[in-house]
Amino acid sequence: GQQVMQIPQYQHVQEGEDFTTYCNSSTTLSNIQWYKQRPGGHPVFLIQLVKSGEVKKQKRLTFQFGEAKKNSSLHITATQTTDVGTYFCAGHRSEKLVFGKGTKLTVNP
Amino acid sequence: DAGVTQSPTHLIKTRGQQVTLRCSPKSGHDTVSWYQQALGQGPQFIFQYYEEEERQRGNFPDRFSGHQFPNYSSELNVNALLLGDSALYLCASSLVTSGSSETQYFGPGTRLLVL
Repeated sequence: GQQVMQIPQYQHVQEGEDFTTYCNSSTTLSNIQWYKQRPGGHPVFLIQLVKSGEVKKQKRLTFQFGEAKKNSSLHITATQTTDVGTYFCAGHRSEKLVFGKGTKLTVNP
Repeated sequence: DAGVTQSPTHLIKTRGQQVTLRCSPKSGHDTVSWYQQALGQGPQFIFQYYEEEERQRGNFPDRFSGHQFPNYSSELNVNALLLGDSALYLCASSLVTSGSSETQYFGPGTRLLVL
């Protein structure tokens, strides 16, 4: 079945440092979505990427979708303590969302 | 505009029991998906309901069943509970007629503990 792998599993940074999480799928995706889940909370939709090679920015967050539509990345510039949480990518195929295991980000003030 | 709501927020059951979880979708949405999120894992797709029918199903046993009502709300039923069913159960709603792959909005979840 479709697998979505996400690395790293954990990332600890100092406030102000950059952070990147990577997502790889075993199959081509129709689109990829990114979610953020705060500790004790539920996943909150951040963005959807649809086109091959697409790049989207949300303030300090930059999202990329690979040319082959099999991989994606989320980059956060100059992390803040409010960025803590687990970031999930989710591949969309045949009406079904397949989530990666997430990258848990902690930020040391 | 109410978002996705779920009830109950927490639940404790014993092995072998049955449980029913409830979800009301975001206003204007017609599709409900259910996910199981074990501790430290990403959400795993259980199934999706649209027009009161199961449209897609993930790799979960028949003990997991669901229902969607005419008002688009949904229930998830789990029979013969196992210890491994302990997890956060998330409901996500979306609008299937949006013209593109749906953005799903998640509810706060129900935390189920099976003893």
